Amino acid sequence: QVQLVESGGGVVQPGRSLRLSCAASGFTFSSYGLHWVRQAPGKGLEWVAVIWYDGSKKYYADSLKGRFTISRDDSKNTLFLEMNSLRTEDTAVYYCARDSGTKSYILDLWGQGTLVTVSS
Amino acid sequence: QSALTQPASVSGSPGQSIAISCTETSSDVGGYNYVSWYQQHPGKVPKLMLYEVNNRPSGVSNRFSGSKSGNTASLTISGLQAEDEANYYCSSSTSGSTLVFGGGTKLTVL
Repeated sequence: QVQLVESGGGVVQPGRSLRLSCAASGFTFSSYGLHWVRQAPGKGLEWVAVIWYDGSKKYYADSLKGRFTISRDDSKNTLFLEMNSLRTEDTAVYYCARDSGTKSYILDLWGQGTLVTVSS
Repeated sequence: QSALTQPASVSGSPGQSIAISCTETSSDVGGYNYVSWYQQHPGKVPKLMLYEVNNRPSGVSNRFSGSKSGNTASLTISGLQAEDEANYYCSSSTSGSTLVFGGGTKLTVL
């Protein structure tokens, strides 16, 4: 079954760190670029980051100002998002999404999302 | 601030056609031939509906179509059905190899 499954969300205090994971199955993981997209409660979609299929390039939303790091482990078919210095405004559902090609920026497969709540 | 502007809401009656616009407001949006559209029902995962302006992924109804004129892309839904009621987002890649989403449009089927 072709799918993405996120994990690692939860409640975290402001200033702390959290690492999200996204496990892929049913397709050749190493052939695809991967994205993180978030959605704050009641708000629209906000793109977070992308890593190209071969891991050679990583790009981030300007608003993150270097606090987040995207990475991948092709041996485990897993995508990661390391989030540091978390702020209350980072509270959102975080989705991982597959790029339809190596770097097309067309998101053709989405995970179910994992909720991150930043609160004291 | 999003570089893609969408109307906050649109509405239509069953059987009618509606269009949702997506206007590029930043020169950073690259090429603007790479506009995609996503449908999201409340509490559900976004779903790709159109890519590269007017291409439909397998399984998406042909009632959904896309077009572009100048700096405005549009999603048209014909033969509106109750199940089409959802939020719709456009997106486009940028010259900086990032991705930007529009603010989203809530479609109400009357």
